[in-house]
Amino acid sequence: DIQMTQSPSSLSASVGDRVTITCRASQSIRSCLNWYQQKPGKAPKLLIYAASSLQSGVPSRFSGSESGTDFTLTISSLQPEDFATYYCHQSYGTPQTFGQGTKLEIK
Amino acid sequence: QVQLQESGPGLVKPSETLSLTCTVSGGSISSHYWSWIRQPPGKGLEWIGHIYYSGNTNYNPSLKSRVTISVDTSKIQFSLKVSSVTAADTAVYYCARATASGGWLYYFDYWGQGTLVTVSS
Repeated sequence: DIQMTQSPSSLSASVGDRVTITCRASQSIRSCLNWYQQKPGKAPKLLIYAASSLQSGVPSRFSGSESGTDFTLTISSLQPEDFATYYCHQSYGTPQTFGQGTKLEIK
Repeated sequence: QVQLQESGPGLVKPSETLSLTCTVSGGSISSHYWSWIRQPPGKGLEWIGHIYYSGNTNYNPSLKSRVTISVDTSKIQFSLKVSSVTAADTAVYYCARATASGGWLYYFDYWGQGTLVTVSS
């Protein structure tokens, strides 16, 4: 299985901060990397697909990038509604796998 | 607007079969992959498998021997069966639509709200 190592596992930040979450794949996954946001008791919501494409309706403060097997989700200026858990997801290999999640909390 | 809704028993006895159905509304079941994903309480996400509208399936090898996903295009529904369940199968089960393109682009763009299934006697 392709392992997705997400870091950090938790993060405290303030409104207005710039935040970066990283996901490292255990092997090449091309650009088959997606990012989701999940709030308590809710289903995940797609933010970024194909490493850097912004899903329709998602604010432009969210962005994604890649460098080899390292993928990054950046939130340029945190808003109150952004405090949630974030997951990366690789769709290159079977089984598809998710990172373990990053819980973003208010400082 | 595409909507997905899971339905099925919330409590299943050990060794029995878990059965869930996902009803799709607001869109066609054609030309997409239809997936099941689960999340044990307080834990991360696990992909169970998917079915293409034509009926082709792909399963997580760790669950493959116990999982069956089927589709009913006339009812615009797809279903999940997990046999011989144990407490380790207790989770919130999500159905989701995957959009795929170019042989490599693939992402879950619509999700159901999720349904908690508890395995307990």
